[in-house]
Amino acid sequence: EDKVVQSPLSLVVHEGDTVTLNCSYEVTNFRSLLWYKQEKKAPTFLFMLTSSGIEKKSGRLSSILDKKELFSILNITATQTGDSAVYLCALGGSNYKLTFGKGTLLTVNP
Amino acid sequence: GAVVSQHPSWVICKSGTSVKIECRSLDFQATTMFWYRQFPKQSLMLMATSNEGSKATYEQGVEKDKFLINHASLTLSTLTVTSAHPEDSSFYICSAGGSSATGELFFGEGSRLTVL
Repeated sequence: EDKVVQSPLSLVVHEGDTVTLNCSYEVTNFRSLLWYKQEKKAPTFLFMLTSSGIEKKSGRLSSILDKKELFSILNITATQTGDSAVYLCALGGSNYKLTFGKGTLLTVNP
Repeated sequence: GAVVSQHPSWVICKSGTSVKIECRSLDFQATTMFWYRQFPKQSLMLMATSNEGSKATYEQGVEKDKFLINHASLTLSTLTVTSAHPEDSSFYICSAGGSSATGELFFGEGSRLTVL
């Protein structure tokens, strides 16, 4: 059974700090690993990773995958209060099925 | 714009009643849709896979007689919470399809159910 473990479960930082969110996984047949940001409603897509060592970057957010060690990290630099959210890591399965981790609740204080 | 529409976005009902939630794919056909449930401060948990024209596939621990799923057309799946109880109060969200280019999955807006 596919498994996704995220850490930490919650994190409180000050604006301007840099944070690293962790995601480790176990999977029988790896297809992809995805990161989502969830505020109040539906998750917002951030990244999909399929290859090791290739950093995906979008503004202050970046992510990388290590398929040998079975983990991924999501980095957020110069955090802002608007980054406060739950960040979800998920394994992508066939037919767009997702297996989510429990998420990391990030709180950015002014 | 949205590619998956979910309705209603919130609903309050009395204990013992049934509630239907709709998930529609807009401008594309979805032979498979997924229903997730999210309790407060918890992650999304897959409830079931909705298959067009056939029975849904339920995850372990999800009561198929309580959470009825119908996927009668290629653009519509419905989730009916039967004889709802307060413990069924949750955020229900569907997904359908995605982008093969970016990997993005298309989620509905979610439905928040409160059972009194």
